[in-house]
Amino acid sequence: AQSVAQPEDQVNVAEGNPLTVKCTYSVSGNPYLFWYVQYPNRGLQFLLKYITGDNLVKGSYGFEAEFNKSQTSFHLKKPSALVSDSALYFCAVRDIGSSNTGKLIFGQGTTLQVKP
Amino acid sequence: DTAVSQTPKYLVTQMGNDKSIKCEQNLGHDTMYWYKQDSKKFLKIMFSYNNKELIINETVPNRFSPKSPDKAHLNLHINSLELGDSAVYFCASSQEGAGTFGSGTRLTVV
Repeated sequence: AQSVAQPEDQVNVAEGNPLTVKCTYSVSGNPYLFWYVQYPNRGLQFLLKYITGDNLVKGSYGFEAEFNKSQTSFHLKKPSALVSDSALYFCAVRDIGSSNTGKLIFGQGTTLQVKP
Repeated sequence: DTAVSQTPKYLVTQMGNDKSIKCEQNLGHDTMYWYKQDSKKFLKIMFSYNNKELIINETVPNRFSPKSPDKAHLNLHINSLELGDSAVYFCASSQEGAGTFGSGTRLTVV
């Protein structure tokens, strides 16, 4: 079974500092990986995805993620955090099992708190 | 120009009632989904339809019945609402890539 883990419930960083939100995955075969952000009382917004190609993926709002096959990780990064980045972040893997339904399996979410 | 829209945004109702949540997408996607986000923010798939055909039913109580009149719409009907049904329900659609999510319906059962 495919799964995603986000080991940190919360990440705290100071504005202007680099941030990392961790994600590890477990899949059979090649993973399709995604990051989403959820602002308070809002829906999920797509940030970026890895399907194939370069291990460093660039996404919206200055975020990027690094796919590491040997460590089965897909950590989300940003060089300089903004207070407005404070939100709930979800890592997800797409189900590519025999039914290939396209459903997403989500990690438990990490709350990012950026302090001024 | 909303991509995935769901209504209502908020729904407060009493136990035992029947309610529906509507979802529409204008992206031309073939596949639509319902996800549930519980009070701990966990997100889990409930149903998926591909071109009006049910392809996922993730051990959801049969009080929940999705209906897809056409591939642009996927509605969720819930019978005999229980306190534990209180959650945020997200509709989503996808073609081959990432899913596009609606803004959610916060259901509160009192």
